[in-house]
Amino acid sequence: QQQVKQSPQSLIVQKGGISIINCAYENTAFDYFPWYQQFPGKGPALLIAIRPDVSEKKEGRFTISFNKSAKQFSLHIMDSQPGDSATYFCAASMSAGKSTFGDGTTLTVKP
Amino acid sequence: DTAVSQTPKYLVTQMGNDKSIKCEQNLGHDTMYWYKQDSKKFLKIMFSYNNKELIINETVPNRFSPKSPDKAHLNLHINSLELGDSAVYFCASSLHVGTRNEQFFGPGTRLTVL
Repeated sequence: QQQVKQSPQSLIVQKGGISIINCAYENTAFDYFPWYQQFPGKGPALLIAIRPDVSEKKEGRFTISFNKSAKQFSLHIMDSQPGDSATYFCAASMSAGKSTFGDGTTLTVKP
Repeated sequence: DTAVSQTPKYLVTQMGNDKSIKCEQNLGHDTMYWYKQDSKKFLKIMFSYNNKELIINETVPNRFSPKSPDKAHLNLHINSLELGDSAVYFCASSLHVGTRNEQFFGPGTRLTVL
């Protein structure tokens, strides 16, 4: 049973465009929703995270939108740059500490 | 000054062999994890230790045995390696167990079983 569904699997965006990656979860016990960024040959690194009591969080060009009633959250990358090309994972975690990751989205930003 | 380090970075071995991957974190974190990332980049948790105690043990073959000699180290031993074990294995750590804990990942160990 996949508890966190991520889409799209891959995404190609022109430089300066907006990249949008969506995730949906099933378990209402999740209460922390981080996004990780992974470059080839590297480990994932935390990009931005949100709690369910907040509907939006913005850090620079990266914004998480959270819809608790729909059990969905999304990552928006404004003014996408070639350096943003990476694999992005959404995740959801609960008090036991276990994080469930989405299947990842490979983002390619074309110059 | 690497936060989470793993050795070796690459591991190529034959089917049936036994191998170990070592992980160390110098962040003073209480909790450590092992993840497996397959060729499709799917990231799945395998184990988690908090202060040397196993707290998460996913459905992983018992050929995989984690060991935590202290809270800064979490090693992964794999017996009787199979072709399907080929993957990148990531160690990670977080300050505490529980939510809202940022996980810091190591650089990964690429295991290839021939």
